[in-house]
Amino acid sequence: EADIYQTPRYLVIGTGKKITLECSQTMGHDKMYWYQQDPGMELHLIHYSYGVNSTEKGDLSSESTVSRIRTEHFPLTLESARPSHTSQYLCASARQGMNTEAFFGQGTRLTVV
Amino acid sequence: GDSVTQMEGPVTLSEEAFLTINCTYTATGYPSLFWYVQYPGEGLQLLLKATKADDKGSNKGFEATYRKETTSFHLEKGSVQVSDSAVYFCALSDHNNDMRFGAGTRLTVKP
Repeated sequence: EADIYQTPRYLVIGTGKKITLECSQTMGHDKMYWYQQDPGMELHLIHYSYGVNSTEKGDLSSESTVSRIRTEHFPLTLESARPSHTSQYLCASARQGMNTEAFFGQGTRLTVV
Repeated sequence: GDSVTQMEGPVTLSEEAFLTINCTYTATGYPSLFWYVQYPGEGLQLLLKATKADDKGSNKGFEATYRKETTSFHLEKGSVQVSDSAVYFCALSDHNNDMRFGAGTRLTVKP
């Protein structure tokens, strides 16, 4: 079983609030990812990191930001939440190298009202 | 760039029916190929993988064969169960060894 955890699982928050979605993994993986999953199920990569102090934007533009100060921790922050940010957010990690699969957390379901 | 195209759903089957979910890919080089499954309210779990041409990945009665000549990795199961109801994602690892996912196929199995 993969050791990657996301908190909270569910969050309902008002417009304009600042929020941080937490993601931690205990597998020592260098690579970490954030995906946004729309109701149609498709996954959109919004941020990724190849190691400490490395962060990059993904394919889908996002108003969120990320940081990678420690290998095991990859939090995602929204400075001012809006209803358009309502979505499922999935965190994943993978080790470096060829043929390696990604391990996923259980996701955070965010609703901005 | 590298990409994955998978069969659109939703797919609805009766219990014990045969399942095929088609997946084709476009990639430079020789990617590894994966099938993930997502149960309601959960994250994605690796179902099976294949790392080179003609490899067959298998798990829990599901199988998929890496076909380089047709750039395909179709998922099959001989007899589906209600508990197989989920969303299935085909994926590849691109030239950076990052994952690229298909759009997902929702499977519903009725008793």
